[in-house]
Amino acid sequence: DTAVSQTPKYLVTQMGNDKSIKCEQNLGHDTMYWYKQDSKKFLKIMFSYNNKELIINETVPNRFSPKSPDKAHLNLHINSLELGDSAVYFCASSQMLATNEKLFFGSGTQLSVL
Amino acid sequence: QQQVKQSPQSLIVQKGGISIINCAYENTAFDYFPWYQQFPGKGPALLIAIRPDVSEKKEGRFTISFNKSAKQFSLHIMDSQPGDSATYFCAARMSRGSYIPTFGRGTSLIVHP
Repeated sequence: DTAVSQTPKYLVTQMGNDKSIKCEQNLGHDTMYWYKQDSKKFLKIMFSYNNKELIINETVPNRFSPKSPDKAHLNLHINSLELGDSAVYFCASSQMLATNEKLFFGSGTQLSVL
Repeated sequence: QQQVKQSPQSLIVQKGGISIINCAYENTAFDYFPWYQQFPGKGPALLIAIRPDVSEKKEGRFTISFNKSAKQFSLHIMDSQPGDSATYFCAARMSRGSYIPTFGRGTSLIVHP
């Protein structure tokens, strides 16, 4: 069983389109995240949700809107896609305030905007 | 502002050699320092972590050395193997306040057979 699963694995789309990436975790964690990894491998936190509530919202264009229907899911919707949005997006989860808080990452969604 | 600085950006080592990756942090409130390993096409995965109350932690061929006064920590991979070829990220986290880990920029390690 995959602990953190995200779909799709690859997403190729045209500029201006709207797309969504889904994420689910089966670890019973209370916190979920979205990270963006650019072509230089830099990992940048975008959002963090704890118990379905947004707690971290870094400087991200408002074209990006996370949605958490329940603790196990955190989806990412992107409006009006731009060339600069091309990157690998990772969903992650953890148990906040655990002694040794460990992030579990999904396998990533490679987004290519043409 | 980059709170965790990682070097080198890339590293090439021969099989059997020692790989060393260094990180330096600025915020003294950080109290948990994990290292993540990422293989191509996969998400990062926790490799080993240390708290500042110890100066060294070893797990198999992987060792973290921690220097609290210098605000530096490093990952040593002994007897490096081609299967260790991956991108390594150091990170730092606070137990209070912003608990989101701050990642270094990553080191691409290639171990030649």
